[in-house]
Amino acid sequence: EVQLVESGGGLVQPGGSLRLSCTGSGFTFRTYWMNWVRQAPGKGLEWVANINQGGSDQAFLDSVKGRFTMSRDNAKSSLYLQMNSLRVEDTAVYYCVRDLSGGGCYWGQGVLVTVSS
Amino acid sequence: QSVLTQPPSASGTPRQRVTISCSGSSSNIGRKTVNWYQQVPGTAPKLLIHTSNQRPSGVPDRFSGSKSGTSASLAISGLQSEDEADYYCAAWDDSLNRYVFGTGTKVTVL
Repeated sequence: EVQLVESGGGLVQPGGSLRLSCTGSGFTFRTYWMNWVRQAPGKGLEWVANINQGGSDQAFLDSVKGRFTMSRDNAKSSLYLQMNSLRVEDTAVYYCVRDLSGGGCYWGQGVLVTVSS
Repeated sequence: QSVLTQPPSASGTPRQRVTISCSGSSSNIGRKTVNWYQQVPGTAPKLLIHTSNQRPSGVPDRFSGSKSGTSASLAISGLQSEDEADYYCAAWDDSLNRYVFGTGTKVTVL
């Protein structure tokens, strides 16, 4: 059974940092593009970033460029999102998503990040 | 703001057909395939349609997708109570160099 489990969310003050992790199981993690998608409370879905199978090709939403970085460890079937200089508007549920634009798309259950003083 | 435009709501009685539109541009839907996602309130989204008109295994055949030019649509035939959810279209945008989602459509079964 395919599983994606996110962790690392929580409450942080504006300007602070958090590191989200996503661990995959039940599939060959190293063969898939991976993504982060977020959803602010009561709002729609917003793509945040993606990374290719080897980690060499990445893209980010303009509003997070320079603040968020992403990496993966295929040996651990894990994806990471390092979020620095967090803003109130970054408050959202963050989803780890496999193969977002393809037929093998699978979503994790999400992790809540709250940026507030 | 979202690049892909959907109607905010749609509704129908059980067994009716409901169609949701998704309007984009030449930099996204006009040259890329479209995915549709279903999100039941309080849960994570799930893939409903990929490559504009393909259903993953396990998705009922009452769901169908199509694309023409810079627009796409999702049809639900034989509406059922469990279809009450939010539906989002999405596609890669070559100009913005990012994946873009639609504004979302809330489907209500009357």
